[in-house]
Amino acid sequence: SQKIEQNSEALNIQEGKTATLTCNYTNYSPAYLQWYRQDPGRGPVFLLLIRENEKEKRKERLKVTFDTTLKQSLFHITASQPADSATYLCAYGSSNTGKLIFGQGTTLQVKP
Amino acid sequence: EAGVVQSPRYKIIEKKQPVAFWCNPISGHNTLYWYRQNLGQGPELLIRYENEEAVDDSQLPKDRFSAERLKGVDSTLKIQPAELGDSAVYLCASSPGLAGVKNIQYFGAGTRLSVL
Repeated sequence: SQKIEQNSEALNIQEGKTATLTCNYTNYSPAYLQWYRQDPGRGPVFLLLIRENEKEKRKERLKVTFDTTLKQSLFHITASQPADSATYLCAYGSSNTGKLIFGQGTTLQVKP
Repeated sequence: EAGVVQSPRYKIIEKKQPVAFWCNPISGHNTLYWYRQNLGQGPELLIRYENEEAVDDSQLPKDRFSAERLKGVDSTLKIQPAELGDSAVYLCASSPGLAGVKNIQYFGAGTRLSVL
């Protein structure tokens, strides 16, 4: 069955360091991947989308990579800040159904 | 521009009682989704609408769950009767379309349901 996995253990890093979150998928060839941020008590908020034919996408301090050979996406936050502390969700989608499959999310804690 | 609005934010009910959730999507968004999110998990799709039509309800437990989207705008999700295992956050989302950047989903704050 289609599966998407994120590291369920929380990631704790020091302010100023780069946070790297991993998203792996199996039994599927997604047309694109999306990353969302979710704060406690709130709905997910869209951050970045990367297509299968793109290797890398950047937005300010955020960078996403997509390796279709490894079936993996990496999400990087450079110069991390305590305000970046949240749960980050990856989701993959097909090109024509519009259906997104979400991972379980990874909680990031940035300590001052 | 207003975001996706959901109500209520919290609901506590006893098992076997009915409950309903309401969602108002972003104006102009034809696609509407209902998700269920359990603690420590990602959202799981329950049903997806294109305008008034439910185009994917394969994950909706149809024996107790129902949904409607009259006039292709607001939507309600109902559970009757509720079970203890239904305790979760119910999220509504909308998007401009289906593919690629049009499938960027905008979520409401969710309704946290507790079934006692």
